[in-house]
Amino acid sequence: DTGVSQNPRHKITKRGQNVTFRCDPISEHNRLYWYRQTLGQGPEFLTYFQNEAQLEKSRLLSDRFSAERPKGSFSTLEIQRTEQGDSAMYLCAVGQGSTEAFFGQGTRLTVV
Amino acid sequence: RKEVEQDPGPFNVPEGATVAFNCTYSNSASQSFFWYRQDCRKEPKLLMSVYSSGNEDGRFTAQLNRASQYISLLIRDSKLSDSATYLCVVNFLNDYKLSFGAGTTVTVRA
Repeated sequence: DTGVSQNPRHKITKRGQNVTFRCDPISEHNRLYWYRQTLGQGPEFLTYFQNEAQLEKSRLLSDRFSAERPKGSFSTLEIQRTEQGDSAMYLCAVGQGSTEAFFGQGTRLTVV
Repeated sequence: RKEVEQDPGPFNVPEGATVAFNCTYSNSASQSFFWYRQDCRKEPKLLMSVYSSGNEDGRFTAQLNRASQYISLLIRDSKLSDSATYLCVVNFLNDYKLSFGAGTTVTVRA
């Protein structure tokens, strides 16, 4: 049990469609991160929330990506007009207090 | 230059051997360091934090060298179950995110 639930676990979508992923921390965590990982690479930072405030966004994050954490608990990540290059594992991680973070099992996105 | 760099390996070692590898980071203003382990197609899992004085957790030893800006991980008495990708993670001062290396792959053979 990682303490973080992500849904869906897998998503196949056609190019140009919009997709939304959800991250549910099982208990309260003030820090929440979204990362993206492709094969053979380490996780790449996308965005960071402290409670409900989005404090940092990667410069690599295009305007097709948006994330929210409306009540400081669960979070959603939406990708609009998906492209084949968006195919990746999308990982949510949470932390409370100290700097370390704990990951959910991820959502694997395939854009066809 | 990448913020966090690792030798991708793979390091292929027999059971019982010792294996060690390093990770270098670019920003001297770094405050927290970690090693994560990732199995194939699974999420990264925290293996251990790395402290300035060095620290040990069972068969795993982590060292930090701030002067040369690298951290290391040593695995003693390797087990088949140690086969995984080991990710080096750094949190830079005044930065919220955790920066990951691309990982070092270790394969322990019987």
